Amino acid sequence: QVQLQESGPGLVKPSQTLSLTCTVSGGSISSGGYYWSWIRQHPGKGLEWIGYIYYSGSTYYNPSLKSRVTISVDTSKNQFSLKLSSVTAADTAVYYCASAVPLVPAANYFDYWGQGTLVTVSS
Amino acid sequence: QSVLTQPPSASGTPGQRVTISCSGSSSNIGSNTVNWYQQLPGTAPKLLIYSNNQRPSGVPDRFSGSKSGTSASLAISGLQSEDEADYYCAAWDDSLNGSVVFGGGTKLTVL
Repeated sequence: QVQLQESGPGLVKPSQTLSLTCTVSGGSISSGGYYWSWIRQHPGKGLEWIGYIYYSGSTYYNPSLKSRVTISVDTSKNQFSLKLSSVTAADTAVYYCASAVPLVPAANYFDYWGQGTLVTVSS
Repeated sequence: QSVLTQPPSASGTPGQRVTISCSGSSSNIGSNTVNWYQQLPGTAPKLLIYSNNQRPSGVPDRFSGSKSGTSASLAISGLQSEDEADYYCAAWDDSLNGSVVFGGGTKLTVL
């Protein structure tokens, strides 16, 4: 069974870049079969998809965040990462990593989730 | 403002049947499959229903999903206290090069 764990700073200053890493265990990222995803949840609010990446490096991003988001993968460490630039207080949220299947975006769903990590944007 | 529309709240008593609706458009629910997630307080979301009406292993058959046109529904029968949670629908949206869109969530209270 795939397990995911987010890690990274819990506090980021405005205008800086938020950086998070998701470590995957119980399966190899490079074996294919999954999109590796980031999703966030603002405090007391609903879920917002940020984007996902395939092990080959191909990505899909939320159009509303695309100009500020980079998702990358490190198959040697079995990790994938999120960078969100020029953050503001509006980016304060719990950030989740998740796996998505099948490899058809129109049909995929998030089957495994990390526990989530709260990132606060504040000076 | 979420792309998919859900009622903010729903409630029922133990043993009752409750349904939660999810309304979208031709670019999302109308042309793609719908998934449902359950989020218990203080925890990460959990996949509840995928591909409109499929249950992952371990999800009780009290939970069922359906889709018709540009709307979808989640039904919970034999309501139990542990079903008190937030429920989210989600689907792929074909507009703007494609993206996953979620409903705003429905908080289910078991009275």
